[in-house]
Amino acid sequence: IVLTQSPGTLSLSPGERATLSCRASQSVSSSYLAWYQQKPGQAPRLLIYGASSRATGTPDRFSGSGSGTDFTLTISRLEPEDFAVYYCQQYASSPTFGQGTKVEIK
Amino acid sequence: QVTLKESGPALVQPTQTLTLTCTLSGLSLTSSGVRLSWIRQPPGKAPEWLARIGWDDDKFYSKSLKTRLTISKDTSKNQVVLTMTNVDPVDTATYYCARDDRLTDAFDVWGQGTIVTVSS
Repeated sequence: IVLTQSPGTLSLSPGERATLSCRASQSVSSSYLAWYQQKPGQAPRLLIYGASSRATGTPDRFSGSGSGTDFTLTISRLEPEDFAVYYCQQYASSPTFGQGTKVEIK
Repeated sequence: QVTLKESGPALVQPTQTLTLTCTLSGLSLTSSGVRLSWIRQPPGKAPEWLARIGWDDDKFYSKSLKTRLTISKDTSKNQVVLTMTNVDPVDTATYYCARDDRLTDAFDVWGQGTIVTVSS
């Protein structure tokens, strides 16, 4: 299953809302869709699993939604520490990751 | 607290075999439901899942790399080992081990990663 993320880069200011998209090449059960945040020099960190459940320690400004082939990660109000690269990942079959969306400071 | 730590050579020559070790703390490989995966990330690119091993020794490989990979575990040392044969410069990447949580079907704990460069 191929995951395509858009946009490639999102330029926003602190306090703004970020909407990241992940589209799957075939239907994925919501149970098997996760989102990760990665900062330079660090390992990815699990933010959302099961499409909409926040992992332990994930702030509530992060929310996930979607089903079938279209999934969304929303950051309601960007904090300075949220500027990073975000990846979606599916586990319906052999695990795959999207190519990532970079959220950068405008 | 669960921690994972990867170790292995920083530099490998093309055609050689790469061996990586993941050492677990705060988590036993013999505990029911435990699964560990290896994931790599080439510089500037997305992560790529490689292989998984479970507490019951069930193994699962990336289809594209299956013929080159072997995953195993040493329960006495609480370690998971990944070997990759016939390496090429395109295998240059940061290699991570990660806990593969059966409850969430996501990778919820990651090691710090080990950087491997394939070059002559």
